[in-house]
Amino acid sequence: QVQLVESGGGVVQPGRSLRLSCAASGFTFSSYGMHWVRQAPGKGLEWVAVIWYDGSNKYYAESVKGRFTISRDNSKNSLYLRMSSLRAEDTAVYYCARDSLKLEPDYWGQGTPVTVSS
Amino acid sequence: QSVLTQPPSVSAAPGQKVTISCSGSSSTIENNYVSWYQQLPGTAPKLLIYDDNRRPSRIPDRFSGSKSGTSATLGITGLQTGDEADYYCGTWDSSLSVWVFGGGTKLTVL
Repeated sequence: QVQLVESGGGVVQPGRSLRLSCAASGFTFSSYGMHWVRQAPGKGLEWVAVIWYDGSNKYYAESVKGRFTISRDNSKNSLYLRMSSLRAEDTAVYYCARDSLKLEPDYWGQGTPVTVSS
Repeated sequence: QSVLTQPPSVSAAPGQKVTISCSGSSSTIENNYVSWYQQLPGTAPKLLIYDDNRRPSRIPDRFSGSKSGTSATLGITGLQTGDEADYYCGTWDSSLSVWVFGGGTKLTVL
């Protein structure tokens, strides 16, 4: 069955960087696009970024453009999110999600929490 | 302010039916597939409806989706207390090349 396991979250000071990882299993990772979605405490879902199955295309939410970088390593069945210049408003649970091949997130991981605080 | 507009909350009694609307535009709902997600308290979102009106095999047929023009609707029949959750619509925005979610709707089963 499809499994997505995020890791790398934690507490980080404003202005610092953090890299999240998402380990995928149960499907042919190299055939699917992948998304990052976040949810601030008590708030709704906010889409962050998507990467094509082969890494050829990447799109970002305006709120993270220029600060976050999505990447993948198909040889390791892994998705990454490099977050730089972190702000308090980046505090959220970060989910990775598989794309359904039609630009729709279908399977989701359990999320990893990120807290940006001094 | 979300690109997709959902009512903040809806409620109905057990056994009844409820609908949740999702309003967008020509660059979002009208020309792209709509998905719906259920988020139970303290858990990750789960896909309920994809491609406007299709259900993953694990989702009961009490859940349905429809779309007309720039609006989409999630329907839930035979409401159960276990359906109490937040529901989100989502779709691709062709003009901005981003995925967008609605603000979410909290369902209360009275």
